[in-house]
Amino acid sequence: DIQMTQSPSSLSASVGDRVTITCRASQSISMYLNWYQQKPGKAPKLLISGASSLQSGVPSRFSGSGSGTDFSLTISSLQPEDVATYYCQQSYSYYSRHGFGPGTKVDIK
Amino acid sequence: EVQLVQSGAEVKKPGESLKISCKGSGYHFTTYWIGWVRQMPGKGLEWMGIIYPGDSDTRYSPSFQGQVTISADKSITTAYLQWSSLKASDTAMYYCASPGLNWNDGWGFWGQGTLVTVSS
Repeated sequence: DIQMTQSPSSLSASVGDRVTITCRASQSISMYLNWYQQKPGKAPKLLISGASSLQSGVPSRFSGSGSGTDFSLTISSLQPEDVATYYCQQSYSYYSRHGFGPGTKVDIK
Repeated sequence: EVQLVQSGAEVKKPGESLKISCKGSGYHFTTYWIGWVRQMPGKGLEWMGIIYPGDSDTRYSPSFQGQVTISADKSITTAYLQWSSLKASDTAMYYCASPGLNWNDGWGFWGQGTLVTVSS
């Protein structure tokens, strides 16, 4: 069973700060790692797929990196509209209880 | 434009059955995988299962195997999530979502969510 962890569970940063969220898989998932943004009361939105492919329309301040078991999502310059909860998701195996990481809540300081 | 439109909110009693739907449009329904995600109040996302409508190949998270049934009706381009006997702990928002052609792509298309409330 692939376990997904994220850190931190929450963070508070200033507008313009560089923010990094990490995601770790309990076994190698190659590059089958996706990142989602969820704002309150809304459906999640895919930001990055395949560990580093930015989805169309997503601001370039978002970037993803990593492979194997360790991944990261970086917001290069935090904006007020980035306040949300961010989830990583492994799409390497659907026979796991843990598709999504537990989430990281991002706030503005 | 790919769209997934879910059925409306439901209020049910424990022990009742329920089937919620997710209608796909703007693409070839039989070629895109459709999955279901649970979000309990104030909690994170949990993947429940995924179906390929073309041949009804269905994969369940071990956490939800035997607890729900995922199905699809190609003739009306609709996927379903079904319970035979609801529990209070099934109270949650349920989203359908699709990774498109490849089941291991990111889930780029989402429905608006269906809120299910189970209460006596």
